[in-house]
Amino acid sequence: LAKTTQPISMDSYEGQEVNITCSHNNIATNDYITWYQQFPSQGPRFIIQGYKTKVTNEVASLFIPADRKSSTLSLPRVSLSDTAVYYCLVVGTGFQKLVFGTGTRLLVSP
Amino acid sequence: DTGVSQDPRHKITKRGQNVTFRCDPISEHNRLYWYRQTLGQGPEFLTYFQNEAQLEKSRLLSDRFSAERPKGSFSTLEIQRTEQGDSAMYLCASSAGTDNQPQHFGDGTRLSIL
Repeated sequence: LAKTTQPISMDSYEGQEVNITCSHNNIATNDYITWYQQFPSQGPRFIIQGYKTKVTNEVASLFIPADRKSSTLSLPRVSLSDTAVYYCLVVGTGFQKLVFGTGTRLLVSP
Repeated sequence: DTGVSQDPRHKITKRGQNVTFRCDPISEHNRLYWYRQTLGQGPEFLTYFQNEAQLEKSRLLSDRFSAERPKGSFSTLEIQRTEQGDSAMYLCASSAGTDNQPQHFGDGTRLSIL
């Protein structure tokens, strides 16, 4: 599975757009990119998944360039409740063992 | 609530005791996973079931650990002769049987070894 690299931490203010970029240079042809959010004392929560170009759902957008060696999670107009750890994962086919890094700690301030 | 359910949420025990955790996956999911998470780290894969068959085990799963999913529904994770290093959050996840379906996690069981 491709290794991912993402910033250790990011700071933002309420109402701003936050973009978290993840690099995955060794992504394989059939791999997907998946993002999870985790609050303290809770399990990771699935946010969004994509293969290429752009995916959007009710909480986030995921931008994947043509070479797929990186991806960007975009959180529009963050609030204090978006303070969490965000994990970028590359997921292969088959039984899909998830390999988590240390994630990006996002702190949203008033 | 139809999400993944784990019980208990917290477990405190003395070193050397046995503990058992339960996971109830989302009902239509036939894939079930166990992970372990220590403070400041991301979850680490422990084991995977497809229906009742345990198909993959991590090297992290020592001989003191055993997991079962007897009827392909709920699963249990047992730790025998607990050690200080077993203190962690134990997370269960489930997913549908087709590829690239996201895993949905429970809120874990936090184990503290005295």
